[in-house]
Amino acid sequence: AQSVTQLGSHVSVSEGALVLLRCNYSSSVPPYLFWYVQYPNQGLQLLLKYTTGATLVKGINGFEAEFKKSETSFHLTKPSAHMSDAAEYFCAVSGGQGGGFKTIFGAGTRLFVKA
Amino acid sequence: KAGVTQTPRYLIKTRGQQVTLSCSPISGHRSVSWYQQTPGQGLQFLFEYFSETQRNKGNFPGRFSGRQFSNSRSEMNVSTLELGDSALYLCASSLTQGDKNIQYFGAGTRLSVL
Repeated sequence: AQSVTQLGSHVSVSEGALVLLRCNYSSSVPPYLFWYVQYPNQGLQLLLKYTTGATLVKGINGFEAEFKKSETSFHLTKPSAHMSDAAEYFCAVSGGQGGGFKTIFGAGTRLFVKA
Repeated sequence: KAGVTQTPRYLIKTRGQQVTLSCSPISGHRSVSWYQQTPGQGLQFLFEYFSETQRNKGNFPGRFSGRQFSNSRSEMNVSTLELGDSALYLCASSLTQGDKNIQYFGAGTRLSVL
């Protein structure tokens, strides 16, 4: 069975500060990992994904995430927060269902950016 | 290329009624998944369809059903609505079935059950 835990339902940072959103996963097979962002009244948009290969993954809007197998983590970071980054962020895992797939989402972390 | 289109965007129903939500995937995408999003439960997987076949199903009662047509468009039906069915229902499409495929989400249908 797979699961995702996002640490912190709310994170607040100042504009220009480092953004760090934490995600830990559980998977019995090599996982595929994703970060999505959701703005109010919109669907989810993919920020970045890890499938295989390089463990540091770069995404859109200056975000990146590092897959650490030993820590079962896939934390999302951005060096300098911008007001437009305020949104809800979801970490997700999928993998190995065979003949169909099911993506499991974390509970989400709402990011607040203070001026 | 047009994105995933969900209709209607907003819907108000009363308990006991039934509702049908529609999802048109990105052109060429053959996999469609449905999710329920609520403040308390977060994003929960409902089911996934690929080439008109349900390939995966979440833990929802039989009141929740879906189907996919030959043009990949999908519908989701909820019968005998309950207050707890009030949620944002999201549809996502992807190119093929498979774990590592990116899912592209529609803006959702917000269902309110009174």
